[in-house]
Amino acid sequence: EAEVAQSPRYKITEKSQAVAFWCDPISGHATLYWYRQILGQGPELLVQFQDESVVDDSQLPKDRFSAERLKGVDSTLKIQPAELGDSAMYLCASSDGTSGGVETQYFGPGTRLLVL
Amino acid sequence: GESVGLHLPTLSVQEGDNSIINCAYSNSASDYFIWYKQESGKGPQFIIDIRSNMDKRQGQRVTVLLNKTVKHLSLQIAATQPGDSAVYFCAENSGNQAGTALIFGKGTTLSVSS
Repeated sequence: EAEVAQSPRYKITEKSQAVAFWCDPISGHATLYWYRQILGQGPELLVQFQDESVVDDSQLPKDRFSAERLKGVDSTLKIQPAELGDSAMYLCASSDGTSGGVETQYFGPGTRLLVL
Repeated sequence: GESVGLHLPTLSVQEGDNSIINCAYSNSASDYFIWYKQESGKGPQFIIDIRSNMDKRQGQRVTVLLNKTVKHLSLQIAATQPGDSAVYFCAENSGNQAGTALIFGKGTTLSVSS
């Protein structure tokens, strides 16, 4: 069964350092999402891509966060500099992206970030 | 802002019982709802979804009910098993710029004892 891949699974960093997370969506999925999940809460959208284009980054803290999906396949989310409040699970999800409407999103295992 | 919420943060059941997890939503314009199961340290796993033109949908051991009149969503799990223990989230499409991102509730932790 096709799955969304993410790496690393765990990351510990010190504040002010830079971190990067990688996501490989299900093959053929045009839409890719990055969500952040704080412990005990539901995921919240950070950024959404349709192919290589950003279609929603309204909740992305752009002073420190950046995301790219250069070839419309895999994606990287970067934080620079990391802050203590960035400690969370970072989840990537993908969907088919061809129906023109809502579609089932499939999530990867996430990257657990701890900022010290 | 508009959000999806769950009535109970925790639910404890005995193995073999039926479980019902409830969710209230506030955006009457939402037309798609989905239930996810999340085990500790893992990403959310799709369980079942339903569109607003339906009021019931069944899967394997799971049923989702949608009551648009009172903006209520529920997930029923038949013959609950220990492997069903997890956090369950309901979500609705957010109506964001692309119209497809999801808004999640806070989750209900289901504990199944044998």
